[in-house]
Amino acid sequence: EVQLVESGGGLVQPGASLKLSCVASGFTFSDYWMSWVRQTPGKTMEWIGDIKYDGSYTNYAPSLKNRFTISRDNAKSTLYLQMSNVRSEDTATYYCTRGLNYWGQGVMVTVSS
Amino acid sequence: DIQMTQSPASLSASLGETVSIECLASEDIYNNLAWYQQKPGKSPQLLIYYASSLQDGVPSRFSGSGSGTQYSLKINSLESEDAATYFCLQDSEYPWTFGGGTKLELK
Repeated sequence: EVQLVESGGGLVQPGASLKLSCVASGFTFSDYWMSWVRQTPGKTMEWIGDIKYDGSYTNYAPSLKNRFTISRDNAKSTLYLQMSNVRSEDTATYYCTRGLNYWGQGVMVTVSS
Repeated sequence: DIQMTQSPASLSASLGETVSIECLASEDIYNNLAWYQQKPGKSPQLLIYYASSLQDGVPSRFSGSGSGTQYSLKINSLESEDAATYFCLQDSEYPWTFGGGTKLELK
């Protein structure tokens, strides 16, 4: 069974950095592109970006690429999202997905002083 | 970016009815469209991919159609468990983009 478990969320101050993790199981992690997607409190969905199965290539939403970085550690079956200089508009639930097919349960990030 | 305009934003229907949800892309997305169902407090579940292919395990009362810029999700014989929010997603051109969602309420 495919499982994706996100962690690392919480309350952070504006301007801070935060790193989310997603541990994958139930499939060969290194065979799949992985993505991050977020959903705002108003339920708007936004694709953040994705990373090739070997970590050699990434794509990002243009509005986020200067502040967000996606990486992976295939040895640990773990996907990461490094968020920097966070803003109030980054408040959302962050989902890890396998090819936009399987989704984790999500992790909440709240940016507030 | 490709804009996805989803309609209606909300929908109320009775058990047993048939409903349709539409997504209009700002340019041709060549059937690279997926539909998701999201229930409150849960993560989205893939229903349809490549416009009309049913994901394994999804009931056959769900169907997708369309081409070019216009796509639709049809739900036949509504059941109580279909109350949810539905999203479309285009993965034809980066950045992938979502529709605004349709909240389906059962009367």
